[in-house]
Amino acid sequence: SQTIHQWPATLVQPVGSPLSLECTVEGTSNPNLYWYRQAAGRGLQLLFYSVGIGQISSEVPQNLSASRPQDRQFILSSKKLLLSDSGFYLCAWSAYRAEGYTFGSGTRLTVV
Amino acid sequence: GNSVTQMEGPVTLSEEAFLTINCTYTATGYPSLFWYVQYPGEGLQLLLKATKADDKGSNKGFEATYRKETTSFHLEKGSVQVSDSAVYFCALSDNAGGTSYGKLTFGQGTILTVHP
Repeated sequence: SQTIHQWPATLVQPVGSPLSLECTVEGTSNPNLYWYRQAAGRGLQLLFYSVGIGQISSEVPQNLSASRPQDRQFILSSKKLLLSDSGFYLCAWSAYRAEGYTFGSGTRLTVV
Repeated sequence: GNSVTQMEGPVTLSEEAFLTINCTYTATGYPSLFWYVQYPGEGLQLLLKATKADDKGSNKGFEATYRKETTSFHLEKGSVQVSDSAVYFCALSDNAGGTSYGKLTFGQGTILTVHP
């Protein structure tokens, strides 16, 4: 069966520090991968999505970047965190041309 | 572009009350429709889905019917429990083709609180 792993679960980082959040999927190949941010416990904002290795689409301009160095690995990064980067970050995957996502358990990032 | 509109919350109910959370959508083509649930501190879980008009998705006592004529996918449950307290998201899947195929558009979420 397919599983998605996301870590760390919680992170407290100072302003100006770098960030690296990792997401991996097991049990499938060539998944579509997504990074979302959720602020105030409600709305979901799509940050990046990827349909293959090295293929990254950015939905909104921001202080973050994403990379997909391997087929089932998706990394969210920042060189210098801002206070406004605080939030709940969710990774998700879907099978190509299948429907619906499976979400990871999320990372709670607090920038102080 | 595609969009999903959910009823504003929060929704507060007593245990065993009837639940309706409204969801309407705008999309080109024939999207698939979903309801996701997010319990406190967790990621989203798929609750139910429907892939074509008049389909009814159901799970854990929740139901939603794909109504193409009213572009709606309202979530209902006949008798809610305290454990149903969560945030509920309506979503649609872009089935128009291309690299965005399958990409979900989410509503803003509705907070449900059920009191004993």
